[in-house]
Amino acid sequence: RKEVEQDPGPFNVPEGATVAFNCTYSNSASQSFFWYRQDCRKEPKLLMSVYSSGNEDGRFTAQLNRASQYISLLIRDSKLSDSATYLCVVSYLDMRFGAGTRLTVKP
Amino acid sequence: DAGVTQSPTHLIKTRGQQVTLRCSPKSGHDTVSWYQQALGQGPQFIFQYYEEEERQRGNFPDRFSGHQFPNYSSELNVNALLLGDSALYLCASSAMNTEAFFGQGTRLTVV
Repeated sequence: RKEVEQDPGPFNVPEGATVAFNCTYSNSASQSFFWYRQDCRKEPKLLMSVYSSGNEDGRFTAQLNRASQYISLLIRDSKLSDSATYLCVVSYLDMRFGAGTRLTVKP
Repeated sequence: DAGVTQSPTHLIKTRGQQVTLRCSPKSGHDTVSWYQQALGQGPQFIFQYYEEEERQRGNFPDRFSGHQFPNYSSELNVNALLLGDSALYLCASSAMNTEAFFGQGTRLTVV
């Protein structure tokens, strides 16, 4: 079993759509959780941290369920500029990445 | 404040050769992690350096080795290059329990 597993995607959605990404992790000792965004041929950049209480940043909402070892990211009112690969990241002593889910938002 | 810088940005090597990649962490960061990202895949953890020692290691062979210097900068060395080593190599720096910042990566092509 992979340490971090994500929806394989790709997701192709129209502008304005709501899209959700899911992620599961295997190490129950994991302490920190993040979503990173990676544009084509660029380095990953932090989108948001994920907290047990859930957190929201504008159109983005992240949730963590420690009991189920599950993380999610919800994007509301998708914009063309949201097109990218979204990486689920789980950290214990170091950061482990999922394979990423590619999102394409179309006009 | 300069972010994480990596050099070189691109590199072409021949099978069997050795390569050294370099990383300077973001100011105030003392931990450097290296990742290999193949096309269409997520970054795979190679190893992490802290206080000039390898603290964690992923599932990579001994051909992959590294070093961290007193100024926290780091090198990744790969010996006996294989075609399958062609990838984007990413360096990430962080401090205790903080988010990691990535450099722009070194794109290595082995021919």
